[in-house]
Amino acid sequence: AQSVSQHNHHVILSEAASLELGCNYSYGGTVNLFWYVQYPGQHLQLLLKYFSGDPLVKGIKGFEAEFIKSKFSFNLRKPSVQWSDTAEYFCAVNGPPTSGGSYIPTFGRGTSLIVHP
Amino acid sequence: DVKVTQSSRYLVKRTGEKVFLECVQDMDHENMFWYRQDPGLGLRLIYFSYDVKMKEKGDIPEGYSVSREKKERFSLILESASTNQTSMYLCASSPPRQSLNYGYTFGSGTRLTVV
Repeated sequence: AQSVSQHNHHVILSEAASLELGCNYSYGGTVNLFWYVQYPGQHLQLLLKYFSGDPLVKGIKGFEAEFIKSKFSFNLRKPSVQWSDTAEYFCAVNGPPTSGGSYIPTFGRGTSLIVHP
Repeated sequence: DVKVTQSSRYLVKRTGEKVFLECVQDMDHENMFWYRQDPGLGLRLIYFSYDVKMKEKGDIPEGYSVSREKKERFSLILESASTNQTSMYLCASSPPRQSLNYGYTFGSGTRLTVV
């Protein structure tokens, strides 16, 4: 089974501050890693994903994430946040496969980010 | 872009009612999912389907059932709604089940209140 931990449940920052949201997972085999964002009143959107290659992944709106296999981590970063980044952020991990061969993502509990102007 | 449409944005139902939540996707995706989203608990998988008439239980299937008679439509059924099923329900879809590297496309969600 897979578990996904997001260490920060609520983060409050001022504009231009740097952001790092932690995500750790438990499964030691092949995984795919995702960050999703949910802006207030909107549906969940894919922010970025890692499946192979360069462990530093760049996503939309200036976000990036680094996959560190030895630490089972996939932390989300942004050098300078904006008020419009206020949202809830979810880390998700695919793997291991179910008995039927399906890859189902396990989601973390989410981090609520509030950015003050 | 893939579009996942959930038929209702808000629903209010009475305890004991049978409730149907509908989800339709337009990109011929094999996989479809139902999650519920609760504050502090994140997204929890209720059921998923990887083909027509195929389904598997997720982490919290109790009190729910699903139906997938056509590839594009995946329905979540609350057999007898209870107040602890008050939640935001999210539908999602993705390409074939053996694919590791696809993200999921989510619908806008249905906020269900059971009174």
